[in-house]
Amino acid sequence: GAVVSQHPSWVICKSGTSVKIECRSLDFQATTMFWYRQFPKQSLMLMATSNEGSKATYEQGVEKDKFLINHASLTLSTLTVTSAHPEDSSFYICSARDTNMGETQYFGPGTRLLVL
Amino acid sequence: QKEVEQNSGPLSVPEGAIASLNCTYSDRGSQSFFWYRQYSGKSPELIMFIYSNGDKEDGRFTAQLNKASQYVSLLIRDSQPSDSATYLCAVREYGFNKFYFGSGTKLNVKP
Repeated sequence: GAVVSQHPSWVICKSGTSVKIECRSLDFQATTMFWYRQFPKQSLMLMATSNEGSKATYEQGVEKDKFLINHASLTLSTLTVTSAHPEDSSFYICSARDTNMGETQYFGPGTRLLVL
Repeated sequence: QKEVEQNSGPLSVPEGAIASLNCTYSDRGSQSFFWYRQYSGKSPELIMFIYSNGDKEDGRFTAQLNKASQYVSLLIRDSQPSDSATYLCAVREYGFNKFYFGSGTKLNVKP
């Protein structure tokens, strides 16, 4: 149980384009989803927290107009990187938590974004 | 700023030994404590969590929590080369739906 999927697992795009990443909880309802970014050899950096049906809460320094997060249902959240630039190249990982059922969050497999 | 501190390592142990990973945290309001394992190029996977003082065992893994001293540790018994990974400590504050991660400790288990 507690499986989280992400799609795509890899994406390469040209600078200036937008990229959408999907995060799905497959066997539980995710009342909260988190989006993280991780640069090589660095730790996870929380970008934002989203609760189903509410606007996402962004961490300090994360541009909400650049990283659009939608959590429209209890099983799906999306992160759209708008007007991507090479510095946005990173490993993006989502996680999901059912606050009614347990303590922990479960991570998706991650999405590697390369912006050329 | 809530801080979670881990020694970056690498921590090297021989196969079959006990690996001891430590984590300290700054916020006394922290309620729940988690250990994740992250293989290179992969996302973190949950090993176990603990929220009561003392020890919690799950197979070869034991989490130890001392709230008075604000540290949590993870012991890995009979370490295997497949345990070689980065281990992330995370804490969650009571009443808040947010997790704070340490920077991770890299563990190398040598055959």
